[in-house]
Amino acid sequence: ETGVTQSPTHLIKTRGQQVTLRCSSQSGHNTVSWYQQALGQGPQFIFQYYREEENGRGNFPPRFSGLQFPNYSSELNVNALELDDSALYLCASSLAGRADTQYFGPGTRLTVL
Amino acid sequence: KNEVEQSPQNLTAQEGEFITINCSYSVGISALHWLQQHPGGGIVSLFMLSSGKKKHGRLIATINIQEKHSSLHITASHPRDSAVYICAPIKAAGNKLTFGGGTRVLVKP
Repeated sequence: ETGVTQSPTHLIKTRGQQVTLRCSSQSGHNTVSWYQQALGQGPQFIFQYYREEENGRGNFPPRFSGLQFPNYSSELNVNALELDDSALYLCASSLAGRADTQYFGPGTRLTVL
Repeated sequence: KNEVEQSPQNLTAQEGEFITINCSYSVGISALHWLQQHPGGGIVSLFMLSSGKKKHGRLIATINIQEKHSSLHITASHPRDSAVYICAPIKAAGNKLTFGGGTRVLVKP
């Protein structure tokens, strides 16, 4: 079991609402990456945060935004939710520049109705 | 075309059978993870390898960097091996993970 935790585990929202997902990093890790995994597919990279700044972004619209805090924990915010945003959201923490050290959290399953 | 292709997408085996999952990728990589995802979502890294072969218990992973191909083998498969296995190369440019679509493995007793 990794030291990466995510909350909540499950969430149901309706279209147009906003959601905030949270991730606490593995001890000693200063980089957090967020991924979206639709049912039956592999994860897709949303963005990565290092030292409280965005450090790379995948093909996701601006309504997907994030924060990283001084303790390296992180939030993923999604505005104006759409039905297609229903997915498992995974965060992974790592050391800077060391994708080989990524540890994944258990994920938050978001359902948008 | 996806950067990472896995095959097969689904696999059903009888307990004790030998299982092979293949991964081909088109990008330059520094290393590659094989990940295991159980129902409920949590992902764990089984292996991270950049060359050759690694073995952990009944699991063996191989990679051929020149051919851009990796395989995950499960020997003497067991129902508890039932999970989704995901190949995740680490792109050399940007040091970011990219993912295959996963292989859903079901091992029947």
